[in-house]
Amino acid sequence: AAGVIQSPRHLIKEKRETATLKCYPIPRHDTVYWYQQGPGQDPQFLISFYEKMQSDKGSIPDRFSAQQFSDYHSELNMSSLELGDSALYFCASSLTRQLTSGRGNIQYFGAGTRLSVL
Amino acid sequence: AQTVTQSQPEMSVQEAETVTLSCTYDTSESDYYLFWYKQPPSRQMILVIRQEAYKQQNATENRFSVNFQKAAKSFSLKISDSQLGDAAMYFCAYTENGATNKLIFGTGTLLAVQP
Repeated sequence: AAGVIQSPRHLIKEKRETATLKCYPIPRHDTVYWYQQGPGQDPQFLISFYEKMQSDKGSIPDRFSAQQFSDYHSELNMSSLELGDSALYFCASSLTRQLTSGRGNIQYFGAGTRLSVL
Repeated sequence: AQTVTQSQPEMSVQEAETVTLSCTYDTSESDYYLFWYKQPPSRQMILVIRQEAYKQQNATENRFSVNFQKAAKSFSLKISDSQLGDAAMYFCAYTENGATNKLIFGTGTLLAVQP
């Protein structure tokens, strides 16, 4: 079965540079979530999109922005990178429209993008 | 605000034995979901088991089962017949029932499986 695809898997950037992370959800999934996991920490919610509209926002810095496109893929844009942005960034997707099917609210995670800021 | 607490930073179990990982949560909601996710050294987040708050019956998935105590806001994971491949970080997570709700994770429990 198709899974959530994230690219790139690894990214190395310098301070103050810009990075773009991409996420391709499971086909027919309508909701995308972004999480940030720092070293030795639990994943922290950044932002989510439902049917291409932002649906929820967590502790996402103003330097970060995201969107979901017409084909449901999503991109997380990160500018003015700081050393503290070094982390594993996960994308997850779910099929919100089928909450009554018994599979609702299950988020399936991609393998993550490991961002290193030097 | 909802919180999830895992009080065991590390646990160890012998191969083929049983281990229980603890999780407590705090919420004022009555309708929500609880999850256990496994994160092996590859760092992939893998869903282990899910529990719907409105269901009294504890969820089971093969060797994995939960003890869900709604009144006590407790959600423990039992792993039976532990295998070397079970070694991983285990995260307990909470989300409210409804569209597009974020997962709130605990701090995780690192499980080691001894041969």
